[in-house]
Amino acid sequence: GNSVTQMEGPVTLSEEAFLTINCTYTATGYPSLFWYVQYPGEGLQLLLKATKADDKGSNKGFEATYRKETTSFHLEKGSVQVSDSAVYFCALRDLNTGFQKLVFGTGTRLLVSP
Amino acid sequence: GAVVSQHPSRVICKSGTSVKIECRSLDFQATTMFWYRQFPKQSLMLMATSNEGSKATYEQGVEKDKFLINHASLTLSTLTVTSAHPEDSSFYICSASGGRSGNTIYFGEGSWLTVV
Repeated sequence: GNSVTQMEGPVTLSEEAFLTINCTYTATGYPSLFWYVQYPGEGLQLLLKATKADDKGSNKGFEATYRKETTSFHLEKGSVQVSDSAVYFCALRDLNTGFQKLVFGTGTRLLVSP
Repeated sequence: GAVVSQHPSRVICKSGTSVKIECRSLDFQATTMFWYRQFPKQSLMLMATSNEGSKATYEQGVEKDKFLINHASLTLSTLTVTSAHPEDSSFYICSASGGRSGNTIYFGEGSWLTVV
């Protein structure tokens, strides 16, 4: 079945440090890939997405490239801010199986200190 | 853009009572809605998928008689936790897909349920 694996957190960084959160997936079809962010006490917000191999999703300084050869979708940001502290979820959706539901990774908590 | 709203955002209920959580798509017609549950510091667990006008499809291990889902219109789905117990305390999040954007999924703000 489809699954998503994320690196365990928390990831603790100082402001302006470089961020990488690893995400790999297993899918039977050709999934779309997503990164969602959840700020404390809030619901999920779509951060970025990529729908096919070699696509790069980007938003708010975050980037992730859909790598089919390594089945990965790692999230990166060149310079994190305190306001980026949140939980980040990698997810996939495989429309080819006829389902629109999202499959989430376990989430990675990011803590950025001043 | 499209917005999905949940209500209430926080609710406290007594053990043994039932509580209803609403999920509304505010500016698009949601053909499919999803209900998730999230335990503290854990990922989202899909509970069920509902399509307007038909019965919800529950994930394995989710008690459909305990978590009643109704998707009576293209803009509203409700989750009713029946005979709630403290172990039902959790963060419940809905999401919806549909509208002009087609397959984009939008999430509600989530609802905190505390059963005392």
